[in-house]
Amino acid sequence: SQQGEEDPQALSIQEGENATMNCSYKTSINNLQWYRQNSGRGLVHLILIRSNEREKHSGRLRVTLDTSKKSSSLLITASRAADTASYFCATDPIIQGAQKLVFGQGTRLTINP
Amino acid sequence: NAGVTQTPKFRVLKTGQSMTLLCAQDMNHEYMYWYRQDPGMGLRLIHYSVGEGTTAKGEVPDGYNVSRLKKQNFLLGLESAAPSQTSVYFCASSYSPAGNSYNEQFFGPGTRLTVL
Repeated sequence: SQQGEEDPQALSIQEGENATMNCSYKTSINNLQWYRQNSGRGLVHLILIRSNEREKHSGRLRVTLDTSKKSSSLLITASRAADTASYFCATDPIIQGAQKLVFGQGTRLTINP
Repeated sequence: NAGVTQTPKFRVLKTGQSMTLLCAQDMNHEYMYWYRQDPGMGLRLIHYSVGEGTTAKGEVPDGYNVSRLKKQNFLLGLESAAPSQTSVYFCASSYSPAGNSYNEQFFGPGTRLTVL
């Protein structure tokens, strides 16, 4: 079963607007990560937020984590056409011996010029 | 550095045929993973390896076998391909295992496999 569930499944906005994607998960985690996947390509790591962190920034990306609600959000500010991609959250669950990430189904983001 | 590479990029098989997908990484990562990606299903872990000579089952291991004879290579085998194995396969590697705060994964470009 999927640990992370992204919302919405698809998002279409105009260039320059901000895009917000959400991720909910079920079990306690060590960290949560966001990845981007361009069409036909592999996933690329964007940002990692640890369970004891609440907010993290990287360029135009802002990630928040609320462990009490078991949820995270990814905000992309001032979107560009090149941001068109699928975005996945991945959780690192606190399960002894897990040694693996669990990926959600992704949010497909389209930036319209 | 090439990062994570996968061969082949595309392959078409007939039901019952066998093949091996090769993943190679040049980052000296200890941990390697094989995923499959299907529409609407996200990424599902097939098998993974925590070091040379070791492998473990993931979420969907049936119909697949793996080997990690060298640290830099992780092979995924299909002994008797089935149409249900039509998918895009991704290999990934990481320096640190899950449970470590720096365990981001680096992905290869994928192999698109069609089983007729």
